[in-house]
Order: sequence, then C-alpha cells, then structure tokens
Amino acid sequence: DVVMTQTPVSLSLAIGQPASISCKSSQSLLGTSGKTFLNWILQRPGQSPKRLIYQVSKLYSEVPDRFSGSGSETEFTLKISRVEAEDLGVYYCWQGTHFPLTFGSGTKLEIK
Amino acid sequence: QVKLLQSGAALVKPGDSVKMSCKASGYTFTDYIIHWVKQSHGKSLEWIGYINPYSGGTNYNEKFKSKATLTVDKSSSTAYMEFSRLTSEDSAIYYCARRDLDAWGQGASVTVSS
Repeated sequence: DVVMTQTPVSLSLAIGQPASISCKSSQSLLGTSGKTFLNWILQRPGQSPKRLIYQVSKLYSEVPDRFSGSGSETEFTLKISRVEAEDLGVYYCWQGTHFPLTFGSGTKLEIK
Repeated sequence: QVKLLQSGAALVKPGDSVKMSCKASGYTFTDYIIHWVKQSHGKSLEWIGYINPYSGGTNYNEKFKSKATLTVDKSSSTAYMEFSRLTSEDSAIYYCARRDLDAWGQGASVTVSS
C-alpha cells in the first residue's frame, strides 16, 4: 500500500498568517493516464470531511483562492496564503492513483 | 445539491453484524461510484472499498475483504455496507462518499460493546 506521510502533525497560527502542509507518498502518484491523483480534504471539528483540492492543484469551485496545492511524483504541498478562522480543522491528503486508496495521518490546524 | 444521507448510530454486540445505509440525492445515482471509509476514534481514515451502482461491481481493500459487503438498491438510490463478525476494533465512524470523495455522508457511528 502507498504510505502517505504528512507534516507537521499540528499547526497553531494567528489569523492572517500563512500555512504550509507537506504530504509525501512512498511511491509516485503519477498515473498511467498522465494524471496525478493527489487530493486534499478538510475535516472541521465534529463534521465529516469536505473536499478542497483534487489532482494536486485544482480547487473545487467553492474553495477560496487563498488555498493552493502544488507538487509532483511523491512530494506535495498545501498552502493557505492567509489563515482565516473557518480554516481550523484537520487536513488530510489522500491518493487515488493506486488501490487501496490511502490517506495521510492528518495535520491539525488551530487558530491562536 | 448532492447529498448523501446515512443511517443512524448503532450499538451492537461482539460477533454480531451491522448493516448501514447511504441514500443519495441531487445527482444520478448510477453515474458515480460510492466509497466507504472508516475513521476510528480520533484517528485517520481508512478506505474500505467502493461499489459501482450501475454494474454492482465492487473493489475492496484486502484488509476489509472478509469483513465488509457492499451492495446497492438502484430503485431507492441507496448504497449499503454490511460489516460482519464485529469486534471492538470495528467501533468507529463509517462514511460513504461519492466517486472522487467530492461529497461525503454525515457519518454513522458504530459501537461494539457487550
């Protein structure tokens, strides 16, 4: 199985500060289709996960443009340009290139 | 809008089975596969498997192959997951989610206790 390693485990940031979360995979996520199925989801406290980014860098329509994703092969990054209060929660990367689908262990974002 | 409505919490005894449901609305049910994901308390997420509502075809995580059975009822746009021979390790929240995990149910809590 592909192991997804996320760092840091937690972040404590003030409103307006930038955030960066790393996600590394144990093997390349570049698929035979030429697409890279590395995605990000956010789970706010007490809620089910919600979609954020798919295929490395594509934002879902409702996601604010302060979020961005980048990376390739085995190293990926989620960035928030300026953290807002509603961004608190646990961020997970997950890969859909190889079965079984696998998830990172999560990065908890707290607001100072 | 797309909604996945899951069945409620369940308290079951060790060795029993539990069947949970996921009713889809707001889109054509047979156009998108449904995934099932496990989240143990305070922990990360594990993919259990998916089912294709159009064909009934399934793909399971080897870890859950002897534990989970996925089915659908196209007439009611509902996906089901049955979990068998439950142990305390199966106590968790179970989510259904659509194809690219782009929509999630609210989760169903399962507690296994005698």
